[in-house]
Amino acid sequence: GEDVEQSLFLSVREGDSSVINCTYTDSSSTYLYWYKQEPGAGLQLLTYIFSNMDMKQDQRLTVLLNKKDKHLSLRIADTQTGDSAIYFCAESKNQGGKLIFGQGTELSVKP
Amino acid sequence: NAGVMQNPRHLVRRRGQEARLRCSPMKGHSHVYWYRQLPEEGLKFMVYLQKENIIDESGMPKERFSAEFPKEGPSILRIQQVVRGDSAAYFCASSLTGSNQPQHFGDGTRLSIL
Repeated sequence: GEDVEQSLFLSVREGDSSVINCTYTDSSSTYLYWYKQEPGAGLQLLTYIFSNMDMKQDQRLTVLLNKKDKHLSLRIADTQTGDSAIYFCAESKNQGGKLIFGQGTELSVKP
Repeated sequence: NAGVMQNPRHLVRRRGQEARLRCSPMKGHSHVYWYRQLPEEGLKFMVYLQKENIIDESGMPKERFSAEFPKEGPSILRIQQVVRGDSAAYFCASSLTGSNQPQHFGDGTRLSIL
């Protein structure tokens, strides 16, 4: 089936690390993505990981993939108030085409 | 600006009118996707197009909705005889190729039906 799930809210203090979690059900997914959406704006591609990888790091962002448990996480180090937004994970199939999105996690960063 | 361009940013229509949403992909991209975001929800896939071809329309409602991506010009998502339930944000994305390439999104069109 096609189902991607995320927790709806996360609140952290400025300077702490944030970890946003995502689970998916389709084991044939080959790419998994993280997008950021600020109010009234479109989706900004943050990072993505191929399904044969366990981890990918890009500056303050670390993506971990547990393919056995179909679990994806995004860690943001040294979280800033500018990181406050909704974060979506999404999966895609090998043939390209549609992305299946989670409901989004609203990250609130308190000073 | 080399990003995905959508217009208009906001569109207001009365019930029964037609809505036309436009999307110009990133330069060099020939694959376009449309998604709909209802309030407080994630994005739902609607349709995937290449130039002059519809590749996957499995997310399109069967009636009143159509999409095209002509050889020249932007992709158009057309909604005929709009109803209140069509109120949503409609996002377009583009990719370089259809396989294993990330999709880059525009800022969306917010459609409001009076």
